[in-house]
Amino acid sequence: EAGVTQSPTHLIKTRGQQVTLRCSPISGHTSVYWYQQALGLGLQFLLWYDEGEERNRGNFPPRFSGRQFPNYSSELNVNALELEDSALYLCASSLGTGGWDQPQHFGDGTRLSIL
Amino acid sequence: AQKVTQAQTEISVVEKEDVTLDCVYETRDTTYYLFWYKQPPSGELVFLIRRNSFDEQNEISGRYSWNFQKSTSSFNFTITASQVVDSAVYFCALSERRTGGGNKLTFGTGTQLKVEL
Repeated sequence: EAGVTQSPTHLIKTRGQQVTLRCSPISGHTSVYWYQQALGLGLQFLLWYDEGEERNRGNFPPRFSGRQFPNYSSELNVNALELEDSALYLCASSLGTGGWDQPQHFGDGTRLSIL
Repeated sequence: AQKVTQAQTEISVVEKEDVTLDCVYETRDTTYYLFWYKQPPSGELVFLIRRNSFDEQNEISGRYSWNFQKSTSSFNFTITASQVVDSAVYFCALSERRTGGGNKLTFGTGTQLKVEL
């Protein structure tokens, strides 16, 4: 069974640019989560999508957004990039609503560097 | 609000030593789940274990064991006879029941474990 896949692996951008990160969940999983892991700040919850809808978001500005497609894959968009957006962005998937006790399974992440 | 504290930032041990990683959590809910994840240098978080708030039985899986004590809000993780491959960052996480299901994990800051020869 394929795990959670994320693309691209690495990305280098400059301030002010926009970026799109992609995630494909494990087959059968309908919930997708996004996390930011910045140096010294640990894992911070960004967004949760289930059945194509945004269910919850963390304390991040509106320039962080995303969507989930009918096949349950997801995109994370970050506009007007700032230096502090440099981080590892991790995507996770789990069984969906009602599965609040389900473990999340993570991808390898996308490392975003802002110059 | 829920909170997870991993007070040990970094631990170094010599191979074959036993090591315990501490995790203390705060929650106002009576129903919750605790998780441990391992993050090797490659970056991917690997799920290790899940424990619900109603099950205080300790669990052993090979060289890994977990001690859940609700009275002290702790969920500690012990690696017996550590090996170099155990070197990684270990995260403890807490999930509370939410309206509509799904779970938002609150992670601790992680403990970097270094196992040396």
